[in-house]
Amino acid sequence: DIVMTQTPSSQAVSAGEKVTMSCKSSQSLLYSENKKNYLAWYQQKPGQSPKLLISWASTRESGVPDRFIGSGSGTDFTLTISSVQAEDLAVYYCEQYYDTPYTFGAGTKLELK
Amino acid sequence: EVQLVESGGGLVQPGRSLKLSCAASGFTFSDYNMAWVRQAPTKGLEWVASISYGGSNTHYGDSVKGRFTISRDNAKSTLYLQMDSLRSEDTATYYCAREATVAVFDYWGQGVMVTVSS
Repeated sequence: DIVMTQTPSSQAVSAGEKVTMSCKSSQSLLYSENKKNYLAWYQQKPGQSPKLLISWASTRESGVPDRFIGSGSGTDFTLTISSVQAEDLAVYYCEQYYDTPYTFGAGTKLELK
Repeated sequence: EVQLVESGGGLVQPGRSLKLSCAASGFTFSDYNMAWVRQAPTKGLEWVASISYGGSNTHYGDSVKGRFTISRDNAKSTLYLQMDSLRSEDTATYYCAREATVAVFDYWGQGVMVTVSS
C-alpha cells in the first residue's frame, strides 16, 4: 500500500500568514504516460464533511479561492495557503489515487495562534 | 444541486450486519463512479470501497475486503454498502462520495454514524 505522510500534524497560525504543509508518498504518484500526479487535497472543517480543494496535485476545484495552491511532483507535495483567513481553520488531508487501496494522510490541523 | 443523503446507520453488535444507503440527486447518477469513505471518531479518512458507474467493477480497502459489499441501483439513484461480520474497529462515520474521476471525491454526503459495540 502507498503510505501518505503529512507534516506537521498541527500548526498554529495567525490571519494573514502564509502557510505551507507537506505530504509525502511512499512511492511516486507521477504516471509516466500522462505526466499527471495522482494526488488530491481535501479540507474538513469541524463537524462538516470533507471538501475537495485540489486534484492532480495542482488543479484547483471550481469555487476554491486562489489563495490555495497545490504544488509538487513524484513523492513530495505541498499545499500552500498564501494568506490564511479565519474560515481556513480546518484539517487538511492529502490523498493518493494512483493505486488501490486509495490512501489518505493523517491530516494537518490548522489552529488559531 | 448535488445532494448525497446517507441512511441506515446505528448501533449494532459485533458479528452482526448492517446495510447503508445513499440517495443521490442533482446529477445523473448512472454517469459517475461512487464510493464509501469512513472516519473513525477523532481519526482521519479511510477509503472503504468504490463502484463503477455501471456497477460491474468494484474495489475494496484491505480492512473490509470479504466482509463489505458495495452495490448500486441506477434506476433508484441509490448507492449501498452491505456490512457483514462487523467489528468494533468498523465504528465510524461513513460518507457516501461521488467520484469526479477515479477516487477523486468531489461531493460528499453528510455522513452516517455506525457504532459496533456489545
